[in-house]
Order: sequence, then C-alpha cells, then structure tokens
Amino acid sequence: SQQGEEDPQALSIQEGENATMNCSYKTSINNLQWYRQNSGRGLVHLILIRSNEREKHSGRLRVTLDTSKKSSSLLITASRAADTASYFCAVGGNTPLVFGKGTRLSVIA
Amino acid sequence: EAGVTQFPSHSVIEKGQTVTLRCDPISGHDNLYWYRRVMGKEIKFLLHFVKESKQDESGMPNNRFLAERTGGTYSTLKVQPAELEDSGVYFCASSQGTSHNYGYTFGSGTRLTVV
Repeated sequence: SQQGEEDPQALSIQEGENATMNCSYKTSINNLQWYRQNSGRGLVHLILIRSNEREKHSGRLRVTLDTSKKSSSLLITASRAADTASYFCAVGGNTPLVFGKGTRLSVIA
Repeated sequence: EAGVTQFPSHSVIEKGQTVTLRCDPISGHDNLYWYRRVMGKEIKFLLHFVKESKQDESGMPNNRFLAERTGGTYSTLKVQPAELEDSGVYFCASSQGTSHNYGYTFGSGTRLTVV
C-alpha cells in the first residue's frame, strides 16, 4: 500500500516550541504532500515535495524527504495556538492521493 | 476564487433512508475526488472524476453508493439505502491535474450520521 502513516498519533506542545511530525510510506512515490485539518473544516494543502527534492520550506514549515528510508518529516517552528489541528501526509503519483490517519497536534498557549 | 463547496454540512438520517451529498468544485478543475473519513480512521479514497467520466471508482464501498458528475461540473454522491457504518465525514476535493503534480483543494465536508 502507498498509504502514508504519521507518527506520533498525537502531540502536545507549548506555544513557541517546535513540532515535528513524521510520515512513512511503503512504495516508490512521485511526491509527498502535507495537509492540515482544523476541527470541523476541510483539509488545507500545505506543501508538496517531489521525490527528487530533499527539503522544502514554506514560512514556518519545513519538510524533509528521505526516499531511501521512505520517510518524510514536517517541522513547524515557533508554534502558535492556531497551529492546533490534525496533520496528514499523502502520497502522490499515478493514483489519487492516499492519506494516513494523521497526527493530532495541540499547541497550548 | 471560490473554493470547493459541499452541501449539506451536516445530515442526520435513519437507517434505510437515502441521502444525496453535493460538491461544487473550483471552476475549471477537471479533476474531482470524493473521500470519506470514518471516526478515528484514515481518510479513504472513494472515487475520482475527470470531467464527467469516472476515472477510478475503486474505493466505492458497495453498490449502495452512486456518484455522478453531470456535465463535468458539480458532483453528487448518493447513498441508498444508508446503513449505520456509512456514518462519517465525506470530503470532496478538486484539482487542476492529478496528484502527480498537484495538490488538492478540499471542501469542508459533509458530516453524515446514520441512526
């Protein structure tokens, strides 16, 4: 299965700290995408990293990809209460996106 | 630019009844996807339209689910008759192209509760 699997399932940190979430997958990929879902809302696309890229930044987000280990990480720096949400990785390629169960991040003010 | 719109946002129906969910994608997005998240589980793919054609419906759970995309614009997902296990949040997404190169824009979802 191409399904991404996030780790940890839940993460609780203080405002201002950094949050790191990991994603592992099983097959070769074209790209890996990260999404955020706030409670009761739809998923929001955060970043897409291609298989030939190792690192990508967007604002306070930093994504790394290690295709040899079939893993990716999402780092949120200087977290804010508004970052509280579920974060999903998704494997992209020749089939529709395949999502994992997500990491539930709670940022405590 | 308007986003992906889903209607209704919530629906509570009795087992055996019929429910129709609607999705209006971003204008010009040929690709439209339906996903479902059952409580605490992963977001599962249901099907993929390219314009009005079903490109991939491998995720549809059974023949109680029927999806259409008339004229390649909005899409509907009908559940008939609904069962308890159909409860969950149904998401629609659209994109300019496939996941090979593009991210998806999701709607806010329809929370379906079958009682």
